[in-house]
Amino acid sequence: GIQVEQSPPDLILQEGANSTLRCNFSDSVNNLQWFHQNPWGQLINLFYIPSGTKQNGRLSATTVATERYSLLYISSSQTTDSGVYFCAVDLTGTASKLTFGTGTRLQVTL
Amino acid sequence: EAGVAQSPRYKIIEKRQSVAFWCNPISGHATLYWYQQILGQGPKLLIQFQNNGVVDDSQLPKDRFSAERLKGVDSTLKIQPAKLEDSAVYLCASSPRGNSGRGADTQYFGPGTRLTVL
Repeated sequence: GIQVEQSPPDLILQEGANSTLRCNFSDSVNNLQWFHQNPWGQLINLFYIPSGTKQNGRLSATTVATERYSLLYISSSQTTDSGVYFCAVDLTGTASKLTFGTGTRLQVTL
Repeated sequence: EAGVAQSPRYKIIEKRQSVAFWCNPISGHATLYWYQQILGQGPKLLIQFQNNGVVDDSQLPKDRFSAERLKGVDSTLKIQPAKLEDSAVYLCASSPRGNSGRGADTQYFGPGTRLTVL
């Protein structure tokens, strides 16, 4: 099956710092989504981004489908950004069968 | 708009007992998913429903897990009998468009049920 690897596995930032999270996948995909799982376990969809670049406030994401990777940028990090960030991919294109990556655990400190 | 609702939020049982989880998706969403998330891992899809039909249950351990979505709205996931390795968070998600052939769409997750099997 498809392999989805994320790096780094763990990241500690001071508030206000910027960061880049990476997601590599082993096969062509029709769907890629980034999620944030907060410390209480709630998964929130951040981006649906099978290709190209999108921005939402302090967050932006870029997927280069031909090179099989995606990047999530967090600028001016805040303590509320803490949690685990997952990318998830879908091969099929007709149904949302997502395969989740290994996750990046982010801790933002004061 | 109300989000995906799940209950209970926490459950502790002994091995070989049975347990059931309930999920109510966002109103009007055609597709419903159950995921299992073991501590330290990403969620793994167990079963996907399109309305009240099963689209994919290839990763559901059918000897002990079962799920249904009556009337194409809410859903229950059951484990009988439970094993220690079933300890995990069980997440329900829904998405609006479903298996339309137009590409995957955004999934919205509920708060999850944390199951501990002793």
